[in-house]
Amino acid sequence: NAGVMQNPRHLVRRRGQEARLRCSPVKGHSHVYWYRQLPEEGLKFMVYLQKENIIDESGMPKERFSAEFPKEGPSILRIQQVVRGDSAAYFCASSPLGVQAKNIQYFGAGTRLSVL
Amino acid sequence: RKEVEQDPGPFNVPEGATVAFNCTYSNSASQSFFWYRQDCRKEPKLLMSVYSSGNEDGRFTAQLNRASQYISLLIRDSKLSDSATYLCVVNERGSARQLTFGSGTQLTVLP
Repeated sequence: NAGVMQNPRHLVRRRGQEARLRCSPVKGHSHVYWYRQLPEEGLKFMVYLQKENIIDESGMPKERFSAEFPKEGPSILRIQQVVRGDSAAYFCASSPLGVQAKNIQYFGAGTRLSVL
Repeated sequence: RKEVEQDPGPFNVPEGATVAFNCTYSNSASQSFFWYRQDCRKEPKLLMSVYSSGNEDGRFTAQLNRASQYISLLIRDSKLSDSATYLCVVNERGSARQLTFGSGTQLTVLP
């Protein structure tokens, strides 16, 4: 019974390159969330997606960042032209449909992005 | 003012001690409340939901005071394995389902 799967676990990029982070939610979960955790800080919400729809991207930087959750396949968080300040742990979480009241979310192990 | 505020600690306590963490939240529309724990460089894991009536799960007791916008977590008979960062988490009412995290309180249980 696999949980939220994220890959890669570690990603090293040089400034200006693109980073693609993947997230496969728990089987049967249709809600996906991305969070970012900077060193020594708490998790910050970035984006909330359902299949083929972005529901809330209020936490996403306006430029260089995009996210998708296609009908088939994992959710992708894409960072173009990475800068050193993008270095962080990026966590994906999922929750099942219908748990409106409690919104319990299950987290993946994260992708640690290092920008050189 | 931060949306969810926690004492960052660190709390260093001996095995067997009782330790309490506090948390305040600023948005009175917050609807759901949780405690997560995060081990070093790992993902957050749900410890327990927090209900208005207070709830207990083994050695852990959570309390919510909506009037004061205050949440607490009590750990009794601390174990070495309780060492972690404890995250206070809220979910606001409405269509948005994202969680708002506190910065966490670091606990180290000493032998």
